Amino acid sequence: AQSVSQHNHHVILSEAASLELGCNYSYGGTVNLFWYVQYPGQHLQLLLKYFSGDPLVKGIKGFEAEFIKSKFSFNLRKPSVQWSDTAEYFCAVNALSGGYQKVTFGTGTKLQVIP
Amino acid sequence: DSGVTQTPKHLITATGQRVTLRCSPRSGDLSVYWYQQSLDQGLQFLIQYYNGEERAKGNILERFSAQQFPDLHSELNLSSLELGDSALYFCASSVVAAGPNEQFFGPGTRLTVL
Repeated sequence: AQSVSQHNHHVILSEAASLELGCNYSYGGTVNLFWYVQYPGQHLQLLLKYFSGDPLVKGIKGFEAEFIKSKFSFNLRKPSVQWSDTAEYFCAVNALSGGYQKVTFGTGTKLQVIP
Repeated sequence: DSGVTQTPKHLITATGQRVTLRCSPRSGDLSVYWYQQSLDQGLQFLIQYYNGEERAKGNILERFSAQQFPDLHSELNLSSLELGDSALYFCASSVVAAGPNEQFFGPGTRLTVL
């Protein structure tokens, strides 16, 4: 069965610090990868996605992620975080499972940015 | 606004009761997903429907059931409620059932079981 691991459960950064959130998945086949963000009191929304092609994908609000197939990783990065980036971040993997495409979410990483 | 609507926003009920949560997908989306988000379990996929048919099942309890109607709205039924069922229940929709498609999430229904 596919699984997604986000090792950092809670990250605290000062404004302007660089961010990297880890995401590793376990699945041997073709995957589609996503990062979603959930701002306080709001619903999840898509930050960025990888389907194929350039493994470095750019999303909204200055976020980017790099797909490294050999490491089964899809880490999220931002060079300089802002207070408004305080939110919970979820990595998700879409892969074939039991004949169906199935999306699996990681447990999420709560990011707190201190002004 | 994602275009996905969920009602009610908040629901407070007692243990042993039954509730129904409703979701209307974005216009044109055929696939509906249900998720449960709680502090201890994180975001858990429950079940997916595509064009009225069950497509995938996740960590859904037997006390829970769902369906998708001909107009594509979906309902999640939770019965014999327990304190541990208190959570935020999200619905999401996507255009197709499979493939690299993005899910659009609704605002959620916060269920409190007392």
